[in-house]
Amino acid sequence: EDQVTQSPEALRLQEGESSSLNCSYTVSGLRGLFWYRQDPGKGPEFLFTLYSAGEEKEKERLKATLTKKESFLHITAPKPEDSATYLCARGIREKLTFGTGTRLTIIP
Amino acid sequence: DGGITQSPKYLFRKEGQNVTLSCEQNLNHDAMYWYRQDPGQGLRLIYYSQIVNDFQKGDIAEGYSVSREKKESFPLTVTSAQKNPTAFYLCATSRTGANEKLFFGSGTQLSVL
Repeated sequence: EDQVTQSPEALRLQEGESSSLNCSYTVSGLRGLFWYRQDPGKGPEFLFTLYSAGEEKEKERLKATLTKKESFLHITAPKPEDSATYLCARGIREKLTFGTGTRLTIIP
Repeated sequence: DGGITQSPKYLFRKEGQNVTLSCEQNLNHDAMYWYRQDPGQGLRLIYYSQIVNDFQKGDIAEGYSVSREKKESFPLTVTSAQKNPTAFYLCATSRTGANEKLFFGSGTQLSVL
């Protein structure tokens, strides 16, 4: 069974300070890797899907990358509105296995 | 306005009571899911359904029941057998259910009185 681990658990950054979030998994292979953003008290909002090692996708200040054993969510020059919990998940057939998330706080 | 509607937003359960959480979608998606989210834990799958009148247990199905009588609806019942029901419950859908992105509802917070 695939285990999905996210690090760090929490991250505080100054506005404009770039950083990366990590998502690692135990079973390699051609499965979807999904990134979501979740605001407090709301359902997760889809950000990216990656399927192949070397694949990258970007959206505004976010860029997701994928290797055989991990994925990174890079955030460049973040703003306070980027504060949220970021979840990653791995797909196998009809199910997704989620990590516990990284709680990101951007300080103005 | 297409989407997933969960109701109610907040729900309180008394000891020994069964409660039902509603999930309706108008996205015409085949697959529907129920996840439970506890503080500091990842989303855990309770039940999922890929077609009408068929559903499968997820990782934590004990104390829960579901039905899928219509494509649009996938209600979740939290039974009195679920001894620790306090959590944030999320309903999700995907187009076909095969390793695809999920669309989530806004969630129901269930608490025990």
